[in-house]
Amino acid sequence: SYVLTQPPSVSVAPGQTARITCGGNNIGAKTVHWYQQKPGQAPVLVVYSDDDRPSGIPERFSGSNSGNTATLTINRVEAGDEADYSCQVWDSTSGYVFGTGTQVTVL
Amino acid sequence: QVQLQESGPGLVKPSETLSLTCSVSGGSISSYYWTWIRQPPGKGLEWIGSIYYSGRTNFNPSLKSRVTISLDTSKNQFSLTLNSLTAADTAVYYCARGRSGLGGWFDPWGQGALVTVSS
Repeated sequence: SYVLTQPPSVSVAPGQTARITCGGNNIGAKTVHWYQQKPGQAPVLVVYSDDDRPSGIPERFSGSNSGNTATLTINRVEAGDEADYSCQVWDSTSGYVFGTGTQVTVL
Repeated sequence: QVQLQESGPGLVKPSETLSLTCSVSGGSISSYYWTWIRQPPGKGLEWIGSIYYSGRTNFNPSLKSRVTISLDTSKNQFSLTLNSLTAADTAVYYCARGRSGLGGWFDPWGQGALVTVSS
């Protein structure tokens, strides 16, 4: 089965940049989507198709994908960005696969 | 805008069958992929299965033998049935709309329904 690995946690000071990685075998050949999930709430799409943003998502959120790693970058981090972030791909054998999730803490 | 809402029992006994329904408002179910995803307490997201408006289904290989997903276009709803429940099936169950065909992203999501499997 296809596995996506994320760091359990990332800590960042307000105003700085947070980078959340999503590792998978040749993930650069797949299309990656990212979700933000705050406690007690449903996930919300923040980046789709590697690097596109849905309407209403700040430009501070961006994505990239190459080789064995996809990255979600949050510039000028704010307290309201504190949440869990999960990556997601489609694999022809496993179906839809989600990453293990990363808790972003704003110091 | 499209909104989704899950409904069903919050408590189910081991070995029994779970049935959940997702009601779609603000748009027709006669398009897109419609999907069930779950999240055990304190854990990550797990895809359960998806159904296309044509009725074609795709399931997580690890759950395929226990899962049924169906559409009711007259009610603008789709449903999940999961049988032979164990405590490991305790989770928040989300319904979501799949975008850009099979293999795309999920948006929007329902608020989620907590299902506990316990005697």
